[in-house]
Amino acid sequence: AQSVSQHNHHVILSEAASLELGCNYSYGGTVNLFWYVQYPGQHLQLLLKYFSGDPLVKGIKGFEAEFIKSKFSFNLRKPSVQWSDTAEYFCAVKLKAAGNKLTFGGGTRVLVKP
Amino acid sequence: EAGVAQSPRYKIIEKRQSVAFWCNPISGHATLYWYQQILGQGPKLLIQFQNNGVVDDSQLPKDRFSAERLKGVDSTLKIQPAKLEDSAVYLCASSSTDGNTEAFFGQGTRLTVV
Repeated sequence: AQSVSQHNHHVILSEAASLELGCNYSYGGTVNLFWYVQYPGQHLQLLLKYFSGDPLVKGIKGFEAEFIKSKFSFNLRKPSVQWSDTAEYFCAVKLKAAGNKLTFGGGTRVLVKP
Repeated sequence: EAGVAQSPRYKIIEKRQSVAFWCNPISGHATLYWYQQILGQGPKLLIQFQNNGVVDDSQLPKDRFSAERLKGVDSTLKIQPAKLEDSAVYLCASSSTDGNTEAFFGQGTRLTVV
């Protein structure tokens, strides 16, 4: 069965530090990959997405992610975080061969200290 | 463009009672997802519709949960009877089936079973 793993459950860092969140998935076929963010009290919002082409994708608010097919990974990065990046981050994988089934990882809660 | 609408935003019920949640997806979106998000976990797919047909309901506890999307537009998720462990946020999302697209999420319904 399709699964998505996020390695860190909680991350605490200071402003201006760099952030990298890991995501691995278990399916070997064609996938679409997403990172969603959930700010406190708000609904899930799309940060960035990968469908095809350049494996390095850029999203909103300075975030980027790299798709490494050989490692089944789609790690999220931001060179310098801000206090406003405090949120929960979810990796998600969509399987086109499974009727566009969208599966989420367990999430990583990020706290940025001012 | 209007987003995904969900109601109610909050619901508190006693165990063994029944409850229903409503979702109106973005106009024209054929795919509709219902997720359960327990505190501290990632969203878990309960059921996925394409138009009025079920694509995946493998993780729906069918002895107590049911969902319908009769006209292929809005959808209702019902729990009967509710258990304490059903306390969670119920998220609805929709997406287009045209090419590579992301899912858009509603605000969710926070259910507390006491």
